[in-house]
Amino acid sequence: DAGVTQSPTHLIKTRGQHVTLRCSPISGHKSVSWYQQVLGQGPQFIFQYYEKEERGRGNFPDRFSARQFPNYSSELNVNALLLGDSALYLCASSLPRADLGPGELFFGEGSRLTVL
Amino acid sequence: GENVEQHPSTLSVQEGDSAVIKCTYSDSASNYFPWYKQELGKRPQLIIDIRSNVGEKKDQRIAVTLNKTAKHFSLHITETQPEDSAVYFCAASYGGTASKLTFGTGTRLQVTL
Repeated sequence: DAGVTQSPTHLIKTRGQHVTLRCSPISGHKSVSWYQQVLGQGPQFIFQYYEKEERGRGNFPDRFSARQFPNYSSELNVNALLLGDSALYLCASSLPRADLGPGELFFGEGSRLTVL
Repeated sequence: GENVEQHPSTLSVQEGDSAVIKCTYSDSASNYFPWYKQELGKRPQLIIDIRSNVGEKKDQRIAVTLNKTAKHFSLHITETQPEDSAVYFCAASYGGTASKLTFGTGTRLQVTL
């Protein structure tokens, strides 16, 4: 089975531009989450989608948005890019179980965004 | 919201020794505590996790303990090997279908020969 796949793997943008990052979860996983990992720090939660509905939003500005499609894939959009948006953007999928709590998060390899 | 603190930030041990990394969390509602290993330039990978109804869990050379009263949990690696060198992150989460993880700041473990 394929793991979580993300595209593109690397990209360079300039300040003020817009970026779209894509994620395909593991087959059967209905939850997709997005995390931002700045160099030298732990991943920070941006969004979670479950069954195509937003279930959580981290402390990020409205320039960040996301959506989940009927096939459970997801897009993360960032508008008006700033230098500080340079980071590794990680997508994770999971199969949460209401009876046991959050399921294990499986991370993709990430999309490394550089903003110049 | 949840806040997770992790110590130490760096840890150097000799091959064969044990390593211990400690984390504390603030939200008593948290019920799921995973540990991730991240090698340079790679994705975080789950190495072990524990839920709040269990006090200890072991998987070969890796063990995790949880003290709900004190709100802290620890990762123990025994008989360390050079391939254990990486950054380790603890995290905390709560809820059923919600999977928001709050991560610690990471511990860079170096295993020397």
